[in-house]
Amino acid sequence: SAVISQKPSRDICQRGTSLTIQCQVDSQVTMMFWYRQQPGQSLTLIATANQGSEATYESGFVIDKFPISRPNLTFSTLTVSNMSPEDSSIYLCSVEGQGGSFYGYTFGSGTRLTVV
Amino acid sequence: ELKVEQNPLFLSMQEGKNYTIYCNYSTTSDRLYWYRQDPGKSLESLFVLLSNGAVKQEGRLMASLDTKARLSTLHITAAVHDLSATYFCAVDTDGNQFYFGTGTSLTVIP
Repeated sequence: SAVISQKPSRDICQRGTSLTIQCQVDSQVTMMFWYRQQPGQSLTLIATANQGSEATYESGFVIDKFPISRPNLTFSTLTVSNMSPEDSSIYLCSVEGQGGSFYGYTFGSGTRLTVV
Repeated sequence: ELKVEQNPLFLSMQEGKNYTIYCNYSTTSDRLYWYRQDPGKSLESLFVLLSNGAVKQEGRLMASLDTKARLSTLHITAAVHDLSATYFCAVDTDGNQFYFGTGTSLTVIP
């Protein structure tokens, strides 16, 4: 299965600032997914990122708040903009397993964000 | 709106006991995944269930899928402390939409 390197692993940020999270995959993948996991909660899909096109955002998430880049088939970034304490969460990227979703999805190690 | 519900949300069980976690989902799907998450860690894939009637087992865990009932189960046999974690099911609707269940926090008491 794919190996994902996600960074930073954690950060403490001031409100009003922005943080960019990076995910690097060791193989080419068509789609990358970004999730948010609020404290004690399940995972919520933020957006799906395809290379060469704009990301597709889920209801409740907008590009101005969570801009995503996907410059090539192995890399993506998620920016959390104009942060507030409510953005404190774990953010995870994910990709399909090799061979598509039949082999499950692999997750990055996560970025634990605390906004103060 | 797709809903993926697990129960129980919290489970405390003694070592050596058996228990089942249930995952119900509200839309047609024949792909169901189970993940484990340890505190402060990412998600570890446990099982991928791809058809009605699929059953997979790994150690003390066994997962099954009934697509007609839109139900998956994760059965724990003779629980041990190392199984303490949060377990999530997730449903893949068409390859582009992947929805997680509410999670079950399992604590195994010695």
